[in-house]
Amino acid sequence: EAAVTQSPRSKVAVTGGKVTLSCHQTNNHDYMYWYRQDTGHGLRLIHYSYVADSTEKGDIPDGYKASRPSQENFSLILELASLSQTAVYFCASSGTEGAETLYFGSGTRLTVL
Amino acid sequence: AQSVTQPDARVTVSEGASLQLRCKYSSSGTPYLFWYVQYPRQGLQLLLKYYSGDPVVQGVNGFEAEFSKSNSSFHLRKASVHWSDSAVYFCVLSPSNYNVLYFGSGTKLTVEP
Repeated sequence: EAAVTQSPRSKVAVTGGKVTLSCHQTNNHDYMYWYRQDTGHGLRLIHYSYVADSTEKGDIPDGYKASRPSQENFSLILELASLSQTAVYFCASSGTEGAETLYFGSGTRLTVL
Repeated sequence: AQSVTQPDARVTVSEGASLQLRCKYSSSGTPYLFWYVQYPRQGLQLLLKYYSGDPVVQGVNGFEAEFSKSNSSFHLRKASVHWSDSAVYFCVLSPSNYNVLYFGSGTKLTVEP
């Protein structure tokens, strides 16, 4: 069964600290995404990747870095966490059929204090 | 520019009543359109999709949506809602490259007994 696993499920970080969110997929998908969800907003695309060792900027990349060391793994890195980055983060993967084969993880709730 | 607008942040209906959730989109080309549902503390799941052809598309659990190019709309409907339909519903647009998605802000549906 297709699966996208995120870790951790939740995290509390301090302002200025480094945070790494991890995502692992077993779908053999080429595309992986990181989205951010804030109350009252839909999901906004931070970074995505369509091949290992390459990442692309989404709509709101400032303050975030991404890393795709393998087809299965995609990380989101906050080098200097800020209060405004408190949100729920979703990872997703998709095949070449795009949103028709889009699978989401369960989300990571990040609180920056 | 691509964008999706869901004008109703919250909708409350009684169990057994009919439902319409509104979605308006803006796209420079012919978009691919989707509805996703997010149950509490879960990731997003695909309800239905529209690529071309018959403007009324059927989805899971009795949901359907109607595409209107003249109105730039893709409204979601259900004839009779159940309490288990309570969730957040997202209208999603994908432009021609269909691997980058644009989300509406979501509509939180509450079904009252």
